[in-house]
Amino acid sequence: GQNIDQPTEMTATEGAIVQINCTYQTSGFNGLFWYQQHAGEAPTFLSYNVLDGLEEKGRFSSFLSRSKGYSYLLLKELQMKDSASYLCAVRSMDTGRRALTFGSGTRLQVQP
Amino acid sequence: GAGVSQSPSNKVTEKGKDVELRCDPISGHTALYWYRQSLGQGLEFLIYFQGNSAPDKSGLPSDRFSAERTGGSVSTLTIQRTQQEDSAVYLCASSEGGAGVEAFFGQGTRLTVV
Repeated sequence: GQNIDQPTEMTATEGAIVQINCTYQTSGFNGLFWYQQHAGEAPTFLSYNVLDGLEEKGRFSSFLSRSKGYSYLLLKELQMKDSASYLCAVRSMDTGRRALTFGSGTRLQVQP
Repeated sequence: GAGVSQSPSNKVTEKGKDVELRCDPISGHTALYWYRQSLGQGLEFLIYFQGNSAPDKSGLPSDRFSAERTGGSVSTLTIQRTQQEDSAVYLCASSEGGAGVEAFFGQGTRLTVV
C-alpha cells in the first residue's frame, strides 16, 4: 500500500521561510507532486520531483530523497496569500495504482 | 474547454436517492481522476481512467459508487442510495497521462445528503 505523512498545521510569519515536510512509503515510486489548495478552491499544481535533488521555481522549491522516502516544500519570502493547504502526492507505477495518492495536507497560516 | 468542468457545482439530495456527477476533462487529456474531499481533510482517491485501459477502481468505498467514461472524454460518477457519510466535495482532475505531467482539477461538486 501507500502511506503519506505531513504535518497537519504550521504557522509562519510574513517575509519568513517555511519548510513543509512529507514522508512517504510506496512501491514503484514514479514521482512526487506538491499542490496548493486555498479554502473552498480546487488544488493547483506547484511542483514535481522524480529524481533526487532540489527543483526551484521562484519563491517555491521542492526537494526529494528517494532513498529516504522524503520530500519538502520550501516557501521563501512568505506572503499573506500563501496561507493555504499544501498537499503532497505520490504516483506509483504498480499495476492498479497509477493514480496520484494524496497526503492529508498541511494547513499553513501566514501571520503579519 | 479551457479547464476541467464539473457539474453541478452544488447538489443537495435526500438520503437514499441516486446522484450523478459529471466531469468534462480538458480536451485531449487521456487520464481522468475522481477524488473525494471531506471538510478539512485530504483528497481520497476514488477511481482513475487512463486511455482505453481498464480503470483503477481500487478507491471506490462501496458498490454504491460507480463511474464511467464515455468515448474517452466525459466521465460520470454515480452514487446509488446516498448516505449522509457521502457528503463531501467530489473533485475531478485530468492530465495528459504521461508519468510526470501535472493533473488539473475542476472546481468540484459539493454534495450534501440530508
